[in-house]
Amino acid sequence: SQTIHQWPATLVQPVGSPLSLECTVEGTSNPNLYWYRQAAGRGLQLLFYSVGIGQISSEVPQNLSASRPQDRQFILSSKKLLLSDSGFYLCAWSELNSQPQHFGDGTRLSIL
Amino acid sequence: EDKVVQSPLSLVVHEGDTVTLNCSYEVTNFRSLLWYKQEKKAPTFLFMLTSSGIEKKSGRLSSILDKKELFSILNITATQTGDSAIYLCADHSGGGADGLTFGKGTHLIIQP
Repeated sequence: SQTIHQWPATLVQPVGSPLSLECTVEGTSNPNLYWYRQAAGRGLQLLFYSVGIGQISSEVPQNLSASRPQDRQFILSSKKLLLSDSGFYLCAWSELNSQPQHFGDGTRLSIL
Repeated sequence: EDKVVQSPLSLVVHEGDTVTLNCSYEVTNFRSLLWYKQEKKAPTFLFMLTSSGIEKKSGRLSSILDKKELFSILNITATQTGDSAIYLCADHSGGGADGLTFGKGTHLIIQP
């Protein structure tokens, strides 16, 4: 069966510091991969998606970037964090377009 | 721009009650509507609806879609304290890789 792992589970970072969140999927090949952010009082917002290695699409302009160095690895990064980057970050995968997405346990990011 | 609106935003009921959660959507190129349950971390997939009038059922949970009126409902019968969670509705439109557009969720609390 397929599983998705995200780490770390929680992270506290100072403003201006870099960020790297990692997500890996097991038990499937060439999945679609997604990064979402859930901010307080708001719904889940799609940040990035990827349909293959090295293929990244951004849904909203922001201070973050994403990379997919391997088939089942998705990384969310920032060079300099802002206070507004605080939130709950969720990685998700799906087998094909129009199939249900399945989420990891998320990373709760606090910026001080 | 796609828009998904859930109601109510919060709901408190007693164990054994039946609840109905609502989701309306305004999308172009609609493909499907999904329901998720979010307890503390990862949203877990409940249903994906693509056709009007066909009820999806899983135990005490059921859901139906009305594509003419652009809404869906999620019913939970004989509620239990374990049903307490945030229920998320999302539409799966024809955008790149079918990223989901989420509503803000309904926070359901089941009191013993």
